[in-house]
Amino acid sequence: AQSVTQLGSHVSVSEGALVLLRCNYSSSVPPYLFWYVQYPNQGLQLLLKYTTGATLVKGINGFEAEFKKSETSFHLTKPSAHMSDAAEYFCAVSRYNQGGKLIFGQGTELSVKP
Amino acid sequence: EAGVTQSPTHLIKTRGQQATLRCSPISGHTSVYWYQQALGLGLQFLLWYDEGEERNRGNFPPRFSGRQFPNYSSELNVNALELEDSALYLCASSPEEGYTDTQYFGPGTRLTVL
Repeated sequence: AQSVTQLGSHVSVSEGALVLLRCNYSSSVPPYLFWYVQYPNQGLQLLLKYTTGATLVKGINGFEAEFKKSETSFHLTKPSAHMSDAAEYFCAVSRYNQGGKLIFGQGTELSVKP
Repeated sequence: EAGVTQSPTHLIKTRGQQATLRCSPISGHTSVYWYQQALGLGLQFLLWYDEGEERNRGNFPPRFSGRQFPNYSSELNVNALELEDSALYLCASSPEEGYTDTQYFGPGTRLTVL
């Protein structure tokens, strides 16, 4: 069965530091990959997605992610953290045989210290 | 363009009662998805509706049910509420059925079962 693993349930960085949130998926066939962000007491907002083509995907708010098939990874990065980036981040996958559903990782809570 | 809307924002029920949650998709979207976000359990897929038909359901008991109306809005019903049904229920919509389409999420309904 398809699964998504996010390494680290909680990541803390200083303002201005690099943000790296890790996501690995299990699949013999590359799925479609998504990163969503959830601010407190809100729904999910799409940051970026990978379908086909260029493996480096740029999203909103300065985030980007790189699809690495050989490593089955889709890590999310941002060069310089801002206080407003503090939120929970979810990696998700979608495949043709999943009946429309997204399968989510368990989430990573990002804290940004001043 | 208006996003996905959900009502009510908060819902408090007692054990054994029924809850009805509502979702309006983005204009032009025909697919609606429901997810449960319970503390400690992450985001779990509940139901997928497209063109008025239930296309897939997750691993939830039959007391979780729903429907999609001709205007593509959707309703989630939870019967015989149990304490563990307390969660944030998120609705998402996408333009068409298919695993390639991005799912856009609403703000959620927070259900509390006492």
